[in-house]
Amino acid sequence: KAGVTQTPRYLIKTRGQQVTLSCSPISGHRSVSWYQQTPGQGLQFLFEYFSETQRNKGNFPGRFSGRQFSNSRSEMNVSTLELGDSALYLCASSGTSGSTDTQYFGPGTRLTVL
Amino acid sequence: AQSVSQHNHHVILSEAASLELGCNYSYGGTVNLFWYVQYPGQHLQLLLKYFSGDPLVKGIKGFEAEFIKSKFSFNLRKPSVQWSDTAEYFCAVNEAVGDMRFGAGTRLTVKP
Repeated sequence: KAGVTQTPRYLIKTRGQQVTLSCSPISGHRSVSWYQQTPGQGLQFLFEYFSETQRNKGNFPGRFSGRQFSNSRSEMNVSTLELGDSALYLCASSGTSGSTDTQYFGPGTRLTVL
Repeated sequence: AQSVSQHNHHVILSEAASLELGCNYSYGGTVNLFWYVQYPGQHLQLLLKYFSGDPLVKGIKGFEAEFIKSKFSFNLRKPSVQWSDTAEYFCAVNEAVGDMRFGAGTRLTVKP
């Protein structure tokens, strides 16, 4: 079974631009979560989608948004980029709706904001 | 506020030494507990998880963790580390579906 895939793997943007990151979950998985990983803040939860609905959201500003499509693929968008948005953005998928489900992580998208 | 604390930022051990990495959490209700590992250049992957039953959980690669509810702890252990265990280890907790809260991580370096 193919794992979680994320595209693109690397991205360079400038301040003020917007960016869209994509995540394809493991086949059959319906839950997709997004995380931001930085050296200073570690791994921080952004939001989680299940069956095209956002179920949980972390403490990030409204510039960070996401969506999920009917095939469970998810996108994350960041508008009006700031230098502090430079990070590794990780996507994780899990099978069903249980909080005990294992989350399987993708390789991440490394975003650099100049 | 809900939080996960990992006390050791960087641990350096020689091969065959025993390992214990601390993890404490502050959550009010029932939680699910996880340890993830990130080997250099690789994805985060699950080592083990606990959500009910026997508080001593065995995971992959000889790792185990013990859930002590009274201490709000979920420490990771391995009796004898190998050079290949060099990685970053993350403790994580969730209450709600999909909302995983991670500790800051502990970098483990095993000297051959």
